[in-house]
Amino acid sequence: KNQVEQSPQSLIILEGKNCTLQCNYTVSPFSNLRWYKQDTGRGPVSLTIMTFSENTKSNGRYTATLDADTKQSSLHITASQLSDSASYICVVSAGGGSYIPTFGRGTSLIVHP
Amino acid sequence: EAGVTQFPSHSVIEKGQTVTLRCDPISGHDNLYWYRRVMGKEIKFLLHFVKESKQDESGMPNNRFLAERTGGTYSTLKVQPAELEDSGVYFCASSLPSSGANVLTFGAGSRLTVL
Repeated sequence: KNQVEQSPQSLIILEGKNCTLQCNYTVSPFSNLRWYKQDTGRGPVSLTIMTFSENTKSNGRYTATLDADTKQSSLHITASQLSDSASYICVVSAGGGSYIPTFGRGTSLIVHP
Repeated sequence: EAGVTQFPSHSVIEKGQTVTLRCDPISGHDNLYWYRRVMGKEIKFLLHFVKESKQDESGMPNNRFLAERTGGTYSTLKVQPAELEDSGVYFCASSLPSSGANVLTFGAGSRLTVL
């Protein structure tokens, strides 16, 4: 069964600090992995998308890494801002004709001033 | 460019009533998806339209849910009769014909509360 597990479930940090969110998956065969940011009351917005051959991808202060061998991904946020407070969702898509992505439950990040 | 628009943003109904959720995708996005997030759980796929055709409805929970996309533009998701376990946030997403589920633009969601 395809699964995506995220940790921690929630995280509270001070403004300006860095943090790293984790994503482990069992989706097979692997096609791509995406990180979404979901603000309260909004729909998820894509931050990064990574395929099998990509190890690192950055989008401003967000850097995603992918280890396809261990089936792990991380999202590192540098110099956090209050606006980073949101839910971060890891989504993994399988290849082989299946296009239905598997969503993680998300990590709820709160950045305090 | 207008994004994906969903209506209503929040609906509160009693068990046994009917609710219809609407999604207006981005113009030109043939792919339209419905997802649902039940409290405390992950977002789950419900169904996928390509234009007006249902490509995949394997995620629909049961026959109380009916999705339509007449004319291949906006889509509706009707729940009739609603049950308590139907409460959650229903997301709509759309994408270009060539993108499939790889590049989705989500709407803000419609929160459904069944009392």
